[in-house]
Amino acid sequence: DTAVSQTPKYLVTQMGNDKSIKCEQNLGHDTMYWYKQDSKKFLKIMFSYNNKELIINETVPNRFSPKSPDKAHLNLHINSLELGDSAVYFCASSQEGAGGQETQYFGPGTRLLVL
Amino acid sequence: GIQVEQSPPDLILQEGANSTLRCNFSDSVNNLQWFHQNPWGQLINLFYIPSGTKQNGRLSATTVATERYSLLYISSSQTTDSGVYFCAVELSQGAQKLVFGQGTRLTINP
Repeated sequence: DTAVSQTPKYLVTQMGNDKSIKCEQNLGHDTMYWYKQDSKKFLKIMFSYNNKELIINETVPNRFSPKSPDKAHLNLHINSLELGDSAVYFCASSQEGAGGQETQYFGPGTRLLVL
Repeated sequence: GIQVEQSPPDLILQEGANSTLRCNFSDSVNNLQWFHQNPWGQLINLFYIPSGTKQNGRLSATTVATERYSLLYISSSQTTDSGVYFCAVELSQGAQKLVFGQGTRLTINP
């Protein structure tokens, strides 16, 4: 009954490879997000999708391409992986209320290590 | 853009102690959340608190939106409270992203 789930939990790969991270939420939320947490624990938004449409793209390199097949899923594909892509990637979701987006719920994170 | 500053950056306490963590933000916000990131990296939602006061067990939070700060209180600390506490804000309605502070690392020693 996990609310926001991500796969895989760990990903170790070589520079130059292409990889995908999947995210699913079963909360019925209409907005989903990808955040990146760097080695200093700083968390930053990458993308936001509302009802399968891209709302925010925070100057993320083109090598990162999110895809939302439906509003319960938001996947992240990364091409030509670089050493600097090593980080923890968190997926999150929320529901829009009368006052804007409400509580964001986070997945367990995907720890990506690029060698 | 909006600045979110948390203090102190690090806090080391003995089990049973009380603590107050602060979050200052530089602009009006629509949403404010407190998170606990445990030693296993999991981000746990503590409070959704754009204004007012909420309590949940040993934890409580207060946001004074007009003065642009929020406080997280932890009473009778336990070792399981250790981790990093993040404050995050949504700048305005429709912004659809949280801006995180740099976190407060809390260590509770037995």
